[in-house]
Amino acid sequence: AQSVTQLGSHVSVSEGALVLLRCNYSSSVPPYLFWYVQYPNQGLQLLLKYTSAATLVKGINGFEAEFKKSETSFHLTKPSAHMSDAAEYFCAVTNAGGTSYGKLTFGQGTILTVHP
Amino acid sequence: KAGVTQTPRYLIKTRGQQVTLSCSPISGHRSVSWYQQTPGQGLQFLFEYFSETQRNKGNFPGRFSGRQFSNSRSEMNVSTLELGDSALYLCASSSSLGQGSEQYFGPGTRLTVT
Repeated sequence: AQSVTQLGSHVSVSEGALVLLRCNYSSSVPPYLFWYVQYPNQGLQLLLKYTSAATLVKGINGFEAEFKKSETSFHLTKPSAHMSDAAEYFCAVTNAGGTSYGKLTFGQGTILTVHP
Repeated sequence: KAGVTQTPRYLIKTRGQQVTLSCSPISGHRSVSWYQQTPGQGLQFLFEYFSETQRNKGNFPGRFSGRQFSNSRSEMNVSTLELGDSALYLCASSSSLGQGSEQYFGPGTRLTVT
C-alpha cells in the first residue's frame, strides 16, 4: 500500500521568505510523486511531478522539489514566497507497476499563508 | 486547449435523492478519474475509466457509480444520498492510463446534501 504524509497542516511565511512544504511517502515499489496546488473554490493544479528521470524537479511558478529515496521524502520549496502563493498544497503518489494505474493517493494538505 | 469541465458547479440535494455529475475531459484525453474531497477525509479516489471501461475503483459503497462514454466524457452517479456525501467532487483527465501520467483537474462540483 502507498501513503503520503504531509508534515504541518499550516505553514506561515513572510513575503520573500523561503517556502518549505514537507512530504514523506511510503511505497513498496518505486513511486511517482506529484505536487498540486488548490486555490479557494478551484480544482487542483499540477505544480510538478517526479518520475525517476531526475531527483531535482522544477515546476511552475518557481517551485521545485527534491526526491530523496533514503529519506522517503519529496519536499516542495520556493526560494522567495509571493502573496499569490497562498493556497493549499497537496503531495500525491502513484506506484509504478501493478494495477493502480493513475490512482493518486493524496496527503492531507498544507495550507500556506503568506504575510506581507 | 480547453481544460476539464464539470457540470453543474453547485448542487443542493435532499437525503435519499440521487444525483448525476458530469465531466468533460481535455480533448484527446481518454482517461478520467473521480475524487471526493471533504474537510474530514481529504481527497479520496473514487474510480478511474479508460476507453469506457472502469480500470480501478476506490473504497466507496455501491451507491457510487460511474461510466464513460465513447467520446471520453464521464458521469458519476450517487444514489440514496446521505448527509456525509456532501463534498467537492473532482474529475481529472489524463492522456493515458500509466501511473506517471499527468492528471489535470476540473473545478469540481460542490454537492450539498440536506
